[in-house]
Amino acid sequence: GAVVSQHPSWVICKSGTSVKIECRSLDFQATTMFWYRQFPKQSLMLMATSNEGSKATYEQGVEKDKFLINHASLTLSTLTVTSAHPEDSSFYICSASGGSRTGELFFGEGSRLTVL
Amino acid sequence: GQQLNQSPQSMFIQEGEDVSMNCTSSSIFNTWLWYKQDPGEGPVLLIALYKAGELTSNGRLTAQFGITRKDSFLNISASIPSDVGIYFCPSRSGGSNYKLTFGKGTLLTVNP
Repeated sequence: GAVVSQHPSWVICKSGTSVKIECRSLDFQATTMFWYRQFPKQSLMLMATSNEGSKATYEQGVEKDKFLINHASLTLSTLTVTSAHPEDSSFYICSASGGSRTGELFFGEGSRLTVL
Repeated sequence: GQQLNQSPQSMFIQEGEDVSMNCTSSSIFNTWLWYKQDPGEGPVLLIALYKAGELTSNGRLTAQFGITRKDSFLNISASIPSDVGIYFCPSRSGGSNYKLTFGKGTLLTVNP
């Protein structure tokens, strides 16, 4: 139990286009999901907290108009990188908590974005 | 603000050896979670600790929550090549939101 899945696992896009990444909790309901990004050989940096049915809470320095987050259901959150540029290339990882194992946070497999 | 330190930053060991890594915090933790991240993958939860002094095992892994709630260690016994990866012990805040803040982690390399 407590499986979190991301899609796509990798994506390559042209500069200026928008890319959507999905994060699903497969066997539990997640009222809160988190989005992280990770640059090569660096740690995970929290971008935003996604709350079901309400606006996301962004960390300082993260542009909310650049990284659109939607949490329309208890099992799905999406991150859209708008007007992507090469510097947005990164590894994006979502996480969720919920189900019977309260207090624990489970991560998706990650999505590798490369912007040309 | 809260400071989280992981040590060592990296370790190179031979297959079969035991390894220990630890985390210390400037603030008290209510929960301590240990994760492992393989290259190109998301972190995987290894062990969750909830009580001060708690000692928990998961196969060859053993972790303990310090009595002061400001530190924790993770031991891996009889290491194998697939133990290679980065080990994290993120700090947790935000009450019920379980927001995690990651440190730099410990990079483990196991030589066959």
